[in-house]
Amino acid sequence: DAGVTQSPTHLIKTRGQQVTLRCSPKSGHDTVSWYQQALGQGPQFIFQYYEEEERQRGNFPDRFSGHQFPNYSSELNVNALLLGDSALYLCASSFRLAGGPTGELFFGEGSRLTVL
Amino acid sequence: AQSVAQPEDQVNVAEGNPLTVKCTYSVSGNPYLFWYVQYPNRGLQFLLKYITGDNLVKGSYGFEAEFNKSQTSFHLKKPSALVSDSALYFCAVKTDKLIFGTGTRLQVFP
Repeated sequence: DAGVTQSPTHLIKTRGQQVTLRCSPKSGHDTVSWYQQALGQGPQFIFQYYEEEERQRGNFPDRFSGHQFPNYSSELNVNALLLGDSALYLCASSFRLAGGPTGELFFGEGSRLTVL
Repeated sequence: AQSVAQPEDQVNVAEGNPLTVKCTYSVSGNPYLFWYVQYPNRGLQFLLKYITGDNLVKGSYGFEAEFNKSQTSFHLKKPSALVSDSALYFCAVKTDKLIFGTGTRLQVFP
């Protein structure tokens, strides 16, 4: 049973560029959340997707956008990259109906983005 | 607003000694509390959660956590630390999303 998989694992971009990160949820899961973890910090919630719609959003600018596909996989897009966007981007999946507030999230190993 | 606080940036403990990693929370209503662990260059792994019931919750790798409503705390504990427990530990509260603390680095010395 595959867990949450993310790609790419590492990437380097320059300021102003755009990046797309990808996530496949754990088998049987239908909800994907994205988190940003800056160096030395706790993960910060970006947004959550369920039924191909953004359901919740954290305090992130519109440069951060996402998508969920019919197979439940998801993409995170960041436009006009800034140096401060350098971080580990974590994808987490869950099964919304069974999970709810009491269900744990399952995390991928992250995509480390470096912006130069 | 819902939040958790981890007052210690780092905890040092000798192998074989008991360890405690502290967490306090601020939530309205019933708290759903979690502990996650992160090893270097890895994602987060679920350790345990408190939803309701017994105040002492047992989790993975011999860890347990004690929920204390009066002190609004959810401290992570282990009776005997291992060097391999050295990692970054995050406390989190869940509403419609997980809200993490800033993390505590646990260093277990041989």
